Amino acid sequence: NAGVMQNPRHLVRRRGQEARLRCSPMKGHSHVYWYRQLPEEGLKFMVYLQKENIIDESGMPKERFSAEFPKEGPSILRIQQVVRGDSAAYFCASSLRGSQETQYFGPGTRLLVL
Amino acid sequence: TQLLEQSPQFLSIQEGENLTVYCNSSSVFSSLQWYRQEPGEGPVLLVTVVTGGEVKKLKRLTFQFGDARKDSSLHITAAQPGDTGLYLCAGVAGYSTLTFGKGTMLLVSP
Repeated sequence: NAGVMQNPRHLVRRRGQEARLRCSPMKGHSHVYWYRQLPEEGLKFMVYLQKENIIDESGMPKERFSAEFPKEGPSILRIQQVVRGDSAAYFCASSLRGSQETQYFGPGTRLLVL
Repeated sequence: TQLLEQSPQFLSIQEGENLTVYCNSSSVFSSLQWYRQEPGEGPVLLVTVVTGGEVKKLKRLTFQFGDARKDSSLHITAAQPGDTGLYLCAGVAGYSTLTFGKGTMLLVSP
């Protein structure tokens, strides 16, 4: 059973460009979570999605950030017009059922904004 | 806002030593999880504790959940270099998602 997969593992963008981060959950999992880890800080929850629905986006910045989890294909975290402060590791996790279930994390995407 | 404070932030010890790291909060959690994260990788779940006062053992690791379900500790006996990593605690309250502490970075030298 493949674990949670994320790509790319590393992404370099210049200020003002767009970043697209992909997450394929574990097989059979329909709940996806995105977290951001800044240097010297813990993992911060961003958004929780179920297939085609956003369940909780309370941790998502109001501007430039969006997330989707379509019926087919991976979940996408999209950051428009990136700024240096967006540089971080972005982790995706998935669970079989709801947020009370164990979340399995992917290896992360390290975004560097120049 | 529920906060989890982890201490110490950094711990550097020699192989064979024992250590304890702590995870404290003023909030009550329905369950608490411990993860280990290695450089360049995502967190890997070690254990989930649910009941106040619960103690779980995983080989040389002992996890305890406080009676009031506000705090937890992780004790490692006879640490080995392979235990090196960032140890994160995360709490679940109600139906909300995980709230993480900042972690304890452990370095075990041979």
